[in-house]
Amino acid sequence: QSALTQPPSASGTPGQGVIISCSGGSSNIGKNFLTWYQHLPGTAPKLLIYSNDQRPSGVPDRFSASKSGTSASLAVSGLQSEDEADYYCAAWDSSLNGWVFGGGTKLTVL
Amino acid sequence: EVQLLESGGGLVQPGRSLSLSCAASGFTFSDYPMIWVRQAPGKGLEWVSIVSDTGASTHYADSVKGRFTISRDNSKNTLYLQMDSLRAEDTALYYCARSFYGYTYGGFDCWGQGTLVTVSS
Repeated sequence: QSALTQPPSASGTPGQGVIISCSGGSSNIGKNFLTWYQHLPGTAPKLLIYSNDQRPSGVPDRFSASKSGTSASLAVSGLQSEDEADYYCAAWDSSLNGWVFGGGTKLTVL
Repeated sequence: EVQLLESGGGLVQPGRSLSLSCAASGFTFSDYPMIWVRQAPGKGLEWVSIVSDTGASTHYADSVKGRFTISRDNSKNTLYLQMDSLRAEDTALYYCARSFYGYTYGGFDCWGQGTLVTVSS
């Protein structure tokens, strides 16, 4: 069981928007920065969001994120077929003294 | 070009040891904390260990604590993971990654392609 909880799946049609949630606790999301990653199994994961809501250069502004208390969300607007991947949230956990990842959300573009 | 290249994976029997390496290029390796993350077959990403930019500080997931050792040689631009007392549940694709924003702030912005470790008799 992951310290961060994500829905196992999400879906949308091309052009639509979708929101992926990430729920944690006071020692991780509630206290530290959250990051989001896009991953196609067998390939290198890609950093989408750091510092809760910041996009690295090269990440489309269709990806946005927010955090409130011990929960966070990743929003993907204008869905494209290439967005079909697994998405993970991650944060430092000050109680565990380590990084924790969410279980991952498989995004399907219908 | 920023690049990370893992090596050292393979098939190993339970209880034996294996050492992974991650060769870095295209950036000042000694400026960044580095991590290992793994993905077991059909499972999600799992953080394994992190080492500070100097190597002075390390942390481990409970699942590997006492069995795995992370280290780095900044003169060789190389990250290591020594894995002892391997178990079947350590079977996974192991990734190394750079933390550009800090030890606890994260932002793992550069990843290798992974090296596969299979623990089986």
